[in-house]
Amino acid sequence: QQQVKQSPQSLIVQKGGISIINCAYENTAFDYFPWYQQFPGKGPALLIAIRPDVSEKKEGRFTISFNKSAKQFSLHIMDSQPGDSATYFCAAQRGGSEKLVFGKGTKLTVNP
Amino acid sequence: NAGVTQTPKFRVLKTGQSMTLLCAQDMNHEYMYWYRQDPGMGLRLIHYSVGEGTTAKGEVPDGYNVSRLKKQNFLLGLESAAPSQTSVYFCASSYRASFPLDEQYFGPGTRLTVT
Repeated sequence: QQQVKQSPQSLIVQKGGISIINCAYENTAFDYFPWYQQFPGKGPALLIAIRPDVSEKKEGRFTISFNKSAKQFSLHIMDSQPGDSATYFCAAQRGGSEKLVFGKGTKLTVNP
Repeated sequence: NAGVTQTPKFRVLKTGQSMTLLCAQDMNHEYMYWYRQDPGMGLRLIHYSVGEGTTAKGEVPDGYNVSRLKKQNFLLGLESAAPSQTSVYFCASSYRASFPLDEQYFGPGTRLTVT
């Protein structure tokens, strides 16, 4: 049973465009939703995270939108740049749990 | 600070051989994790530890063993390697997992091929 479903699997965007990656979860006990960014040959690194008490969080060009009723959250990358080309993972964690549950990842390519 | 380091970076094993992957962190983190990453499968948790001397099973623990004898080190062992264990292995650590939840810091990965 996949607890966090991520789409699309791959995404190609032109420089300056908006990249949107979506995730859906099933467990209503999740209360922490981070996004990790992974460059080729590197380990993932935390990009931005949100809790369900807010509907949106913005850090620079990166925004998380959260819809608690739909059990969905998404990552928006504004003004996408070639340097944003990476694999992005959404994840979810339940308070009191030590474990993150990851989506399967989205490979983003931003063409110059 | 080196952060999270992993040894070795690459390894090729024959089926049935054994090996140990070493993870070290210098951030005084309590929690440590081992993941495997396979194409199209995301990151799957193998084992984790919430403190020195403790270990627990994750999502895909079969065929692996772990030990956390020192707070800064977390070892992942393969007793009898199988081709299905060909993967990229990542270690991660975090200060804590209780509220407010803390980020996990990942190492650079170990690419393991089992022939």
